[in-house]
Amino acid sequence: KAGVTQTPRYLIKTRGQQVTLSCSPISGHRSVSWYQQTPGQGLQFLFEYFSETQRNKGNFPGRFSGRQFSNSRSEMNVSTLELGDSALYLCASSFASSSGNTIYFGEGSWLTVV
Amino acid sequence: AQKITQTQPGMFVQEKEAVTLDCTYDTSDQSYGLFWYKQPSSGEMIFLIYQGSYDEQNATEGRYSLNFQKARKSANLVISASQLGDSAMYFCAMRGMRGFQKLVFGTGTRLLVSP
Repeated sequence: KAGVTQTPRYLIKTRGQQVTLSCSPISGHRSVSWYQQTPGQGLQFLFEYFSETQRNKGNFPGRFSGRQFSNSRSEMNVSTLELGDSALYLCASSFASSSGNTIYFGEGSWLTVV
Repeated sequence: AQKITQTQPGMFVQEKEAVTLDCTYDTSDQSYGLFWYKQPSSGEMIFLIYQGSYDEQNATEGRYSLNFQKARKSANLVISASQLGDSAMYFCAMRGMRGFQKLVFGTGTRLLVSP
């Protein structure tokens, strides 16, 4: 059974650019969540999608957005990148948000903004 | 609001010994889940073990067990027979089970296993 797949694994962007990260959940999982991990702030919740609808959102500016497709794959986008957006972005997959007792993460996407 | 506290920034253990990583939590939810994850330097967050708030028995998964003390609001991870490959960051997390709730993480404990 394939795990959670995130692409790209590493990327370097320049301030002001935008970036799109992709996440393919485990087959059959319908809930996808995104988290940002930085040394200073730790792990912070960005948003969660279930059945193509955003169900929950963290405290991030509007530059951070996401979407989910009918096959449950999800993308997140960060526009007008700032140096502080440099982080590890983790995607989490579960069957159903409210009852899932196993939440699996991908390997993450390491974003560096220069 | 939910909160996870991990008071041990770093822990050292010798190979083949057992180690306990501490985790306390705070929540007003009656139904919640507690999770432990391992994060090696590669960045991947590896799911280790889960404990539901209504589970009467402590969860176990191979060498991992969760010492759940509901009245004390603690969910300590016990790793038996430590291996060199256990060296990593360990995160305790929780989530309420009503509606769509996020995982709330602790600050993590860095475990170093020595030969």
